[in-house]
Amino acid sequence: EADIYQTPRYLVIGTGKKITLECSQTMGHDKMYWYQQDPGMELHLIHYSYGVNSTEKGDLSSESTVSRIRTEHFPLTLESARPSHTSQYLCASTPTGGNSPLHFGNGTRLTVT
Amino acid sequence: KQEVTQIPAALSVPEGENLVLNCSFTDSAIYNLQWFRQDPGKGLTSLLLIQSSQREQTSGRLNASLDKSSGRSTLYIAASQPGDSATYLCAVAGDQTGANNLFFGTGTRLTVIP
Repeated sequence: EADIYQTPRYLVIGTGKKITLECSQTMGHDKMYWYQQDPGMELHLIHYSYGVNSTEKGDLSSESTVSRIRTEHFPLTLESARPSHTSQYLCASTPTGGNSPLHFGNGTRLTVT
Repeated sequence: KQEVTQIPAALSVPEGENLVLNCSFTDSAIYNLQWFRQDPGKGLTSLLLIQSSQREQTSGRLNASLDKSSGRSTLYIAASQPGDSATYLCAVAGDQTGANNLFFGTGTRLTVIP
């Protein structure tokens, strides 16, 4: 069972809309991540955070922003959605200390028309 | 940059068969390697994590091995079941930060035929 929750599970929106994908975890993990995954492709890191008020860009920032005001909450915002943003977005977390597995949410499937 | 490869991309086996999934990586200086399972439309579930100082890890019917010198890891699944059908991904961490130094393979899609 997931201790990391993503909402919504599915979202269909029009081009140009601003959207926020929610991610919350109840495990008290310091590190949180956003990944983008297309079918049959590797995961691409979009943003990550080492803790409250820490945010960093990954290889694929994709015109998005994140915030980390509380340990448990790490929302991802697309200011102006485009069809190229159509993908699955996965949130993950892990505690501080290297040899701990990543915990993933069930993802948000975004379609931009 | 670390490159992680999983071959084959897809595999079908009859129920009850033992099978091996492969993961190879180009830079042997790794911190750990993780195996994940992903069901369609879902996130990834961690199966096993092998630290760089370890050779293998076991959990139930799963056994993962690590050979850093050859840049290879295998995931052995014993007595496969239809419920094992999923995509299996491996990920290699270059250091303990685990953020922008974590590299995923594209996965092997496993189908276990009843």
